[in-house]
Amino acid sequence: DQQVKQNSPSLSVQEGRISILNCDYTNSMFDYFLWYKKYPAEGPTFLISISSIKDKNEDGRFTVFLNKSAKHLSLHIVPSQPGDSAVYFCAAPNSGGSNYKLTFGKGTLLTVNP
Amino acid sequence: DAGVIQSPRHEVTEMGQEVTLRCKPISGHDYLFWYRQTMMRGLELLIYFNNNVPIDDSGMPEDRFSAKMPNASFSTLKIQPSEPRDSAVYFCASSSRSGWGAYEQYFGPGTRLTVT
Repeated sequence: DQQVKQNSPSLSVQEGRISILNCDYTNSMFDYFLWYKKYPAEGPTFLISISSIKDKNEDGRFTVFLNKSAKHLSLHIVPSQPGDSAVYFCAAPNSGGSNYKLTFGKGTLLTVNP
Repeated sequence: DAGVIQSPRHEVTEMGQEVTLRCKPISGHDYLFWYRQTMMRGLELLIYFNNNVPIDDSGMPEDRFSAKMPNASFSTLKIQPSEPRDSAVYFCASSSRSGWGAYEQYFGPGTRLTVT
């Protein structure tokens, strides 16, 4: 039972354009979401996060949007750069108490073409 | 500061052999996580520790897998005996419970395990 779903395994965009990566979740108890970026032969690295009390969080070229009613979040990268080519994972921690266990989506491979 | 350190980076072994993967978390982090990444299942949590104590091992696939954390700076994941279906990339991650960063986990570079 996948509680965090990334339905697009891959996405290709041109340099300078916007990249939009999507993520859906099923557990309405999730109240915090994270995006990780992974290059080949490296571990995932934290990129940006959002709390459920917000609907948008921005950090430079990266913005995450949260639509709680649709149980959907998206990561926007503007403008996209070739160095952004990587696998992007969305993740959510199990809710409540001190449980810091993260559930990850299967990832979306982003390719930014020069 | 050094990040999460994992060794070895690559391991090739024959079916039936014992495999031990090692992890040194970031100093001061009190949570340690072991993940496995495969094409079929993606990134899945195997087990995690808090202050060296195993909290949730529900992701450990079977009794062939075991994990220990004898002290705050070292953890091992052991597979005995290994099988070809254990071939995957194994990641170790650590985190600190302070503030909003509590959910952010810092990953090591991973160990690519191939069991022939």
